[in-house]
Amino acid sequence: KNQVEQSPQSLIILEGKNCTLQCNYTVSPFSNLRWYKQDTGRGPVSLTIMTFSENTKSNGRYTATLDADTKQSSLHITASQLSDSASYICVVSYQTGANNLFFGTGTRLTVIP
Amino acid sequence: SQTIHQWPATLVQPVGSPLSLECTVEGTSNPNLYWYRQAAGRGLQLLFYSVGIGQISSEVPQNLSASRPQDRQFILSSKKLLLSDSGFYLCAWRKEGVDTGELFFGEGSRLTVL
Repeated sequence: KNQVEQSPQSLIILEGKNCTLQCNYTVSPFSNLRWYKQDTGRGPVSLTIMTFSENTKSNGRYTATLDADTKQSSLHITASQLSDSASYICVVSYQTGANNLFFGTGTRLTVIP
Repeated sequence: SQTIHQWPATLVQPVGSPLSLECTVEGTSNPNLYWYRQAAGRGLQLLFYSVGIGQISSEVPQNLSASRPQDRQFILSSKKLLLSDSGFYLCAWRKEGVDTGELFFGEGSRLTVL
């Protein structure tokens, strides 16, 4: 069964600290994995995409990793800011099809001053 | 540049009343269109998707229906709302034929059924 699981479900950290969010998937055949950021009451926005051949990719203070062998991805946030408070959603794609996306339930991150 | 508009942003409806949420995309043609629902504290649930005018695929049997009367217009409807229809509804689009493409979401519509 194709599934995407994220952990932790929620996380509270102090401003300036680092954190790592996890995503494990069983989707096969795998195409790519995206991390989305969803601010409260808004639509999600893509942060980064990881394809099969990529191990690490950075987007500012966000660094995503992918281990295609173990089917795990992580999103590391460095020097957190209050504006990082949001839900982070892991989305894994099948190789083909208009309906080829599997969503994790997200990690709710709260950054406190 | 491409934009997506979704409305209304917020609505409160009584049980048994009808519903119509609208979504339009600008700056692209023949997009794949999606309706998702997000219950409080839950993940995104795909409700409907469309790969072309008049082509609707339903993922979850429910009280809702969708229509695509124009290439860049996607409408979510209900004839009689249930309490369980409450939630945050998101419209999204993706480039047609690009299965690895990014989903672009609207700002969402928060529906409360009383």
